[in-house]
Amino acid sequence: GDSVTQMEGPVTLSEEAFLTINCTYTATGYPSLFWYVQYPGEGLQLLLKATKADDKGSNKGFEATYRKETTSFHLEKGSVQVSDSAVYFCALTNTGNQFYFGTGTSLTVIP
Amino acid sequence: DAGITQSPRHKVTETGTPVTLRCHQTENHRYMYWYRQDPGHGLRLIHYSYGVKDTDKGEVSDGYSVSRSKTEDFLLTLESATSSQTSVYFCAISRLAGVDEQYFGPGTRLTVT
Repeated sequence: GDSVTQMEGPVTLSEEAFLTINCTYTATGYPSLFWYVQYPGEGLQLLLKATKADDKGSNKGFEATYRKETTSFHLEKGSVQVSDSAVYFCALTNTGNQFYFGTGTSLTVIP
Repeated sequence: DAGITQSPRHKVTETGTPVTLRCHQTENHRYMYWYRQDPGHGLRLIHYSYGVKDTDKGEVSDGYSVSRSKTEDFLLTLESATSSQTSVYFCAISRLAGVDEQYFGPGTRLTVT
């Protein structure tokens, strides 16, 4: 079945460091891929998405490229800020009615 | 922000009591979902709905039931709450399954003592 695997955390970075959170997926066909962010005490918010191979999703300085050949959708940001501290979830949806989420990666950015 | 509200936001209840959580949307989206979030497990799907009176089970449906009598409301019921159902519950909506993103509510923190 469809599934998402993302790197375990927690991840701790200094402000202005480069961020990569790895995400790989297993799915038949052509799923849509998403990154969500969750701040403490809140629900998940959509960060970015890509709906076909080679698409690049981007938002708030974050980017992720849909790589079908490596079944990956890694999240990157060139210079993180303290305000980026949150939990990040990779997700996919495919034919059918369900979403599949990774287990989440906690990011802490220290000044 | 998508118009999704959940009620109550916090609830403490005793083992064996029934509990109903409500999700209300103002977006007229067809699909609605209930998840639970627990440390180390991420988000797990409990039940979802693909239309009024149309529902299906998710990964962790045992001990839960749902109902959707109108587009905007999706109710999650714990018939007899157990301590293992202590969790944070999120409702989500989606316009079109298989392609579109989900929008999440603010969550309900449920504690079963």
